[in-house]
Amino acid sequence: EVKLVESGGGFVQPGGSLRLSCAASGFTFSSYAMTWVRRAPGTGPEWLSTLSDAATSTYYADSVRGRFTISRDNSKNTLYLQMNSLRAEDTAVYYCAKNLYDTSGPVGSFDYWGQGTLVTVSS
Amino acid sequence: EIVLTQSPATLSLSPGERATLSCRASQSISNYLAWYQLKPGQAPRLLIYDASIRATGIPARFSGRGSGTDFTLTISSLEPEDFAVYYCQQRARWPPLTFGGGTKVEIK
Repeated sequence: EVKLVESGGGFVQPGGSLRLSCAASGFTFSSYAMTWVRRAPGTGPEWLSTLSDAATSTYYADSVRGRFTISRDNSKNTLYLQMNSLRAEDTAVYYCAKNLYDTSGPVGSFDYWGQGTLVTVSS
Repeated sequence: EIVLTQSPATLSLSPGERATLSCRASQSISNYLAWYQLKPGQAPRLLIYDASIRATGIPARFSGRGSGTDFTLTISSLEPEDFAVYYCQQRARWPPLTFGGGTKVEIK
């Protein structure tokens, strides 16, 4: 059974930092690109960042480029999101998502998601 | 950036009725569109990918169609567990990957 479990969310002041983790199980983690998506209150999902299976290619949304860093440890089956210089508008539930296709297929559709971790940025 | 516009924003229907949700892209995205179901406190669920392919375990009452700029998700007969918010998402031209604004299917 595929499982994705996010952790690391919490309450942080503007300008602060958080590191989110996503523990994956039930599939060959190193064969799939992984993605972070967030959903702010009352809005639709927002794609944030994607990291290729071997961590050789990274992609970021303009809203987080330069502040957030995606990484992975394939030996630990874990995806990370380092979030710096947090702003009030970063308040959201953060999800990690598994790419539908493995290494041989296209990136950008997500067949499994975690339940999310809440990040609240407020003074 | 490709903008996805979903309509209607809210669909009020009764169990057993047919739901038709629309997603329109600001430019052609071929068939590179997925549909997701979101419920409070739950992980988002992939329903349809590549416009018309049902994901693993998705009931046959869910179907998707379309190509280019116009897409439709149909739920042939609403079950109580289908009342949720639905989002379309494109992977044709990225970054960024983009989602639509959502359609809430609520009980009438």
